[in-house]
Amino acid sequence: EAGVTQSPRYAVLQEGQAVSFWCDPISGHDTLYWYQQPRDQGPQLLVYFRDEAVIDNSQLPSDRFSAVRPKGTNSTLKIQSAKQGDTATYLCASLPGLGVFEQYFGPGTRLTVL
Amino acid sequence: GQQVQQSPPASLVLQEGENAELQCTYSTTLNSMQWFYQRPGGRLVSLLYSPSWAEQRGGRLTSSAASNESRSSLHISSSQITDSGTYLCAMEDTGGLSGKLTFGEGTQVTVIS
Repeated sequence: EAGVTQSPRYAVLQEGQAVSFWCDPISGHDTLYWYQQPRDQGPQLLVYFRDEAVIDNSQLPSDRFSAVRPKGTNSTLKIQSAKQGDTATYLCASLPGLGVFEQYFGPGTRLTVL
Repeated sequence: GQQVQQSPPASLVLQEGENAELQCTYSTTLNSMQWFYQRPGGRLVSLLYSPSWAEQRGGRLTSSAASNESRSSLHISSSQITDSGTYLCAMEDTGGLSGKLTFGEGTQVTVIS
């Protein structure tokens, strides 16, 4: 089966610019996660969905970050006005369903904010 | 919130053929834990997944857990140069069937000949 795909793979922005990241999970996986991984650190959960519903976005900086999954398949994470502190790799992961917790990760989008 | 501490911290250098043990300590009761591998610029790849306090084996890798100490270990036997990369542990707590993972900081392993 095809794995989790993400695009773009890299993005370089000036502070204040906007950017969107796209994720296509494994077909049939109803749960989708977005993580932020700063350099030399472990990933930190930003938001996750079950189908099209946001289950937990408590770690998402809501004033500048937004995430949607309108049809319960692909998802978009958007940063409205990027800051240098947003420099990190943004990872998407998907999960087959309740009771199965082995997550499958995409390659990530490496963001640099100058 | 939950915290995950990995040791050895940051980095570890091994001579090819040596064994190594990485450990993770969790601040709360564990529902499941997972060990991941990541090359620089590469995707996180799941190595071993344990839905409970159980030993898991996969080739030269073995994970084990001590529930009374909220600790899990990843044992790498007969290390090879291709094992070089970052190893991260992640826990899913018992707070609900969310699948939410809390990661450790990772240990960068370098295997030299």
